[in-house]
Amino acid sequence: QLQLQESGPGLVKPSETLSLTCTVSGDSISSLSYYWAWIRQPPGKGLEWIGNIFFRGNPYYNPSLKSRVTISVDTSKNQFSLNLTSVTAADTAIYYCARQYYYGSFPDWFDPWGQGTLVTVSS
Amino acid sequence: EIVMTQSPATLSVSPGQRATLSCRASQSVSSNLAWYQQKPGQAPRLLIYGASTRATGIPARFSGSGSGTEFTLTISSLQSEDFAVYYCQHYNNWPLTFGGGTQVEIK
Repeated sequence: QLQLQESGPGLVKPSETLSLTCTVSGDSISSLSYYWAWIRQPPGKGLEWIGNIFFRGNPYYNPSLKSRVTISVDTSKNQFSLNLTSVTAADTAIYYCARQYYYGSFPDWFDPWGQGTLVTVSS
Repeated sequence: EIVMTQSPATLSVSPGQRATLSCRASQSVSSNLAWYQQKPGQAPRLLIYGASTRATGIPARFSGSGSGTEFTLTISSLQSEDFAVYYCQHYNNWPLTFGGGTQVEIK
């Protein structure tokens, strides 16, 4: 059964870089059938897609975050990662990683999701 | 960017009653729409994809309908475990966007 687990610091200082890793177990991140995604949720608010990546393709990013986001994949470790630079309090959120189905034309729905990790931006 | 608008923001329903949740897209997304359920302290769970196909393990009381710009999630007979927040999400083009959510609460 596929499991995704986010890991990384729970506290980041303003203007610094938020770095998270998602470890995938129970499936290969090199599958042709999936993208791998990051999604976030500020406390008490809704969901925002950050970006996603195919194991051998270019990442896609939300235009609202594109200038600050980098998503990468490490197939040897079956992991993918998120870097978000120049963070502010507005980046405080629960960060989820998720598998995204792909049937060859466009990435589809997210399933499953990791449990999420709260990242707080504060000095 | 396609804006997804969900209504109502909060829906008060008695156990055993029917709940109807709406999701509207600012432009056509064809049938490229998913629904998720999120309970407090948990990650979202996929309920419906392709606007009307139930995900694996999802009870038959959950059903989705619609295409284009208007979509509906119906819970035919609310159970105690169904009180949660529900989100719609399109996957028609970039960027992927979610609706603001509908909270289904006990009446």
